[in-house]
Amino acid sequence: AQSVTQPDIHITVSEGASLELRCNYSYGATPYLFWYVQSPGQGLQLLLKYFSGDTLVQGIKGFEAEFKRSQSSFNLRKPSVHWSDAAEYFCAVVSSGTYKYIFGTGTRLKVLA
Amino acid sequence: DTAVSQTPKYLVTQMGNDKSIKCEQNLGHDTMYWYKQDSKKFLKIMFSYNNKELIINETVPNRFSPKSPDKAHLNLHINSLELGDSAVYFCAASMGNTEAFFGQGTRLTVV
Repeated sequence: AQSVTQPDIHITVSEGASLELRCNYSYGATPYLFWYVQSPGQGLQLLLKYFSGDTLVQGIKGFEAEFKRSQSSFNLRKPSVHWSDAAEYFCAVVSSGTYKYIFGTGTRLKVLA
Repeated sequence: DTAVSQTPKYLVTQMGNDKSIKCEQNLGHDTMYWYKQDSKKFLKIMFSYNNKELIINETVPNRFSPKSPDKAHLNLHINSLELGDSAVYFCAASMGNTEAFFGQGTRLTVV
């Protein structure tokens, strides 16, 4: 069965520090991969997506993610975190033709001033 | 113009009542979804409609009934509400398996 694992429930970083949020997926074929961000009381906003091609994808708000097939990972990175990045981050996967987006359990990011 | 809009944003109701949540998308996408987010932020798919046809129906109690009157609308009706139904319900829309766009959510509180 498809699954998405986000090993870190909480991460705290200082403003200006770099960030990496981990995501591992379990899937037979190459899935379509996404990262979403959810601010308190808000819906989910898409940060970036990977379908095929270049394994390093750029997203909004200065985020990027790298698809590593050998590690079944799609980690999210940002070189310098801003206080406004504090939110819940979700990794998601969907397989072609299934219309079933599977989400990880989320990572809550706290940013220290 | 909001791409995916849900109403109401907040819903407080008593156990045993029946309530509906409405969702509209103006993206022209062919697939719409209902997701439930529990108190631990876990997102679980409930239903999915593609071109008005139900294609995903997870193990959701029969008290939950989706209805898609047209491709732009997907409503969720809940009968005999229970305390455990309290959650945030998200509507989403996608074109095939491209990215899903989410509404702002409906926070349902059953008392």
